[in-house]
Amino acid sequence: EVQLVQSGGEVKKPGEFLRISCKGSGYSFTTYWIGWVRQMPGEGLEWMGIIYPGDSETRYSPSFRGQVTISVDKSISTAYLQWNSLKASDTAMYYCARHYTTSSGPDNWGQGTLVTVSS
Amino acid sequence: DIQMTQSPSSLSASVGDRVTITCRASQDIRDDLGWYQQKPGKAPKRLIYAASSLQTGVPSRFSGSGSGTEFTLTINSLQPEDFATYYCLQHNNYPFTFGPGTKVDIK
Repeated sequence: EVQLVQSGGEVKKPGEFLRISCKGSGYSFTTYWIGWVRQMPGEGLEWMGIIYPGDSETRYSPSFRGQVTISVDKSISTAYLQWNSLKASDTAMYYCARHYTTSSGPDNWGQGTLVTVSS
Repeated sequence: DIQMTQSPSSLSASVGDRVTITCRASQDIRDDLGWYQQKPGKAPKRLIYAASSLQTGVPSRFSGSGSGTEFTLTINSLQPEDFATYYCLQHNNYPFTFGPGTKVDIK
C-alpha cells in the first residue's frame, strides 16, 4: 500500500527555523516526484513545488521560491519542506503528495502537517 | 501562470441530485487536469485524472469531461458522503495551479 506519512504538527515563533518531513513507503520512492501543497486556514489549495528523489531536481512555484526549501534524503525515503525564518503568514496546513511524472497531478497524499507560527 | 476558475463557488443540493461543477483554464491545457475532493480536516483525494479518467476505487457516479480550456465534474445521484469541497488542478505548465474550489453542501 502506498503511504506518505508526514511529521506532526508544529508550533513555532516568528523568525524560527522549521523543517517538516514526508516519508514514502509501499512504492519505489526514487521514481516518483514529491510535491508540496499549502492550505491556509479556511482557504484553498496552493501548489508550492516538486522534487524528484532520484536526482533531487526541484521546481518551485514563483510564489514560494526563496521562501521555502524543498529537499530529499532518498536513503530514508523522506522529503522535506524547510523554512529558515518563519513568519506568522506561514501558518497553514502543508500536504505532501506523490506525482507519477513531472507533468502529472498528485495521486497519493500525506495526511498533512499543521504549522502554527505565533509570538 | 495559468489561472483556473471554478463555478459555482458553492452549491446546495439534495441526496440523489445530479451536480455539475465547471473549471476553466486561462489557456489550453489539453487534458492535463485532475479533480480532487476534500472533506473538512482531511487531505485531498483524487477523483479524476487526465480530465476524464476515473481514479481506481472512486465510485462510478463521478465523471469528468472536457479538454482545452473547459472541464466539468459531474456527480450523478449525490450521496451523503459526497458533501465536500471540490478542486480542479492543472498540471500542464509550471507552476501547477488549483481552482478556488466548489463547496457542495446539503440543501
